Amino acid sequence: AQSVTQLGSHVSVSEGALVLLRCNYSSSVPPYLFWYVQYPNQGLQLLLKYTSAATLVKGINGFEAEFKKSETSFHLTKPSAHMSDAAEYFCAVSDRKIQGAQKLVFGQGTRLTINP
Amino acid sequence: DGGITQSPKYLFRKEGQNVTLSCEQNLNHDAMYWYRQDPGQGLRLIYYSQIVNDFQKGDIAEGYSVSREKKESFPLTVTSAQKNPTAFYLCASSTRGHLYNEQFFGPGTRLTVL
Repeated sequence: AQSVTQLGSHVSVSEGALVLLRCNYSSSVPPYLFWYVQYPNQGLQLLLKYTSAATLVKGINGFEAEFKKSETSFHLTKPSAHMSDAAEYFCAVSDRKIQGAQKLVFGQGTRLTINP
Repeated sequence: DGGITQSPKYLFRKEGQNVTLSCEQNLNHDAMYWYRQDPGQGLRLIYYSQIVNDFQKGDIAEGYSVSREKKESFPLTVTSAQKNPTAFYLCASSTRGHLYNEQFFGPGTRLTVL
């Protein structure tokens, strides 16, 4: 079965500093990987996804992620943090298709705090 | 605007009561999902449906039930058999056919058992 591990349940950075959120996956087949963001008491919003077209994926709000097969990683980065980036971030892998639907397996989440 | 609506935003339940959470989408998506979110545990799949009048159990279906009588609606009932129902519940939908399709999420319902 496929799985996702997010290293660090809480990450704190200063405004303007580099953001790095770590995600490692386990998959026996080439994976489809996603990063979602969740603001307090809201649903999830897609930041970006890896579909094997390119290893460096650019998303919304200045975020990007690099797929590294050799390291089984899909870390999320942003060069300069903004106060509005404070949220919880989830990495997910698309598991097998289940009778036409898609099963997402989520990591535990990383809460990002931005210090002024 | 197309999207997913969930109601109510907050729900309080007494022990032993069944409650139903509403999920409606106007994205014309075939597939719909229910997730439960607990602190530090990410999201876990409760039920999913790929088409009207069909649904399947996810990883944590015990104590929950669903129906899919209309394409746009996928209500979730939390029954008295669910031992620890206090959580944040998220509904999502997607098109069918590809594993890389995006799932669109509703704003969630926070259920508290009194």
